[in-house]
Amino acid sequence: EAGVTQFPSHSVIEKGQTVTLRCDPISGHDNLYWYRRVMGKEIKFLLHFVKESKQDESGMPNNRFLAERTGGTYSTLKVQPAELEDSGVYFCASSPPFSYNEQFFGPGTRLTVL
Amino acid sequence: QQQVKQSPQSLIVQKGGIPIINCAYENTAFDYFPWYQQFPGKGPALLIAIRPDVSEKKEGRFTISFNKSAKQFSLHIMDSQPGDSATYFCAASMDSWGKLQFGAGTQVVVTP
Repeated sequence: EAGVTQFPSHSVIEKGQTVTLRCDPISGHDNLYWYRRVMGKEIKFLLHFVKESKQDESGMPNNRFLAERTGGTYSTLKVQPAELEDSGVYFCASSPPFSYNEQFFGPGTRLTVL
Repeated sequence: QQQVKQSPQSLIVQKGGIPIINCAYENTAFDYFPWYQQFPGKGPALLIAIRPDVSEKKEGRFTISFNKSAKQFSLHIMDSQPGDSATYFCAASMDSWGKLQFGAGTQVVVTP
């Protein structure tokens, strides 16, 4: 069974540019989470989708971040315009319907904003 | 502010030693405490988890000790092996929807 996949694995962009990260959850997993780890710090929650609906977006840093999950399958996280402090590793995780604790994480996207 | 504090930041032990990683929390509403293991280039993977009504849980060579009154929990890796070298994250959740609050991570190196 394929795990959670994320694309790209690395992205280097200039401040002010736009970047879109993609996450493909495990097939059948209704729950999709986005987290971020800034260098050396804790992994922080960004938001949670249940199918295509945003259940909790309390961790989104500001309105430069936009997450979507059209059709309840893959999700995208767009950062526009990117700032230096957005650099970090963005993780996506998914879990089965009505099962929230065992989250399966993807390998992450390392974003560097120069 | 950081809701789960993890220490130490890094740890080096010899093969067979017992690395111990500690975490502390403030919010007594947390009711689920997982540990994640992350290898380079991979995402965190659930290793073991505990709920506050249990003081200890063992799975293979990994043991969680939980002290509810002190609001602390720890991970012990028994008979550690070089293959256990990884970054370990503690986490806590009080949210029925699974929102995890992570510690800052501990890089464990087990030397041969």
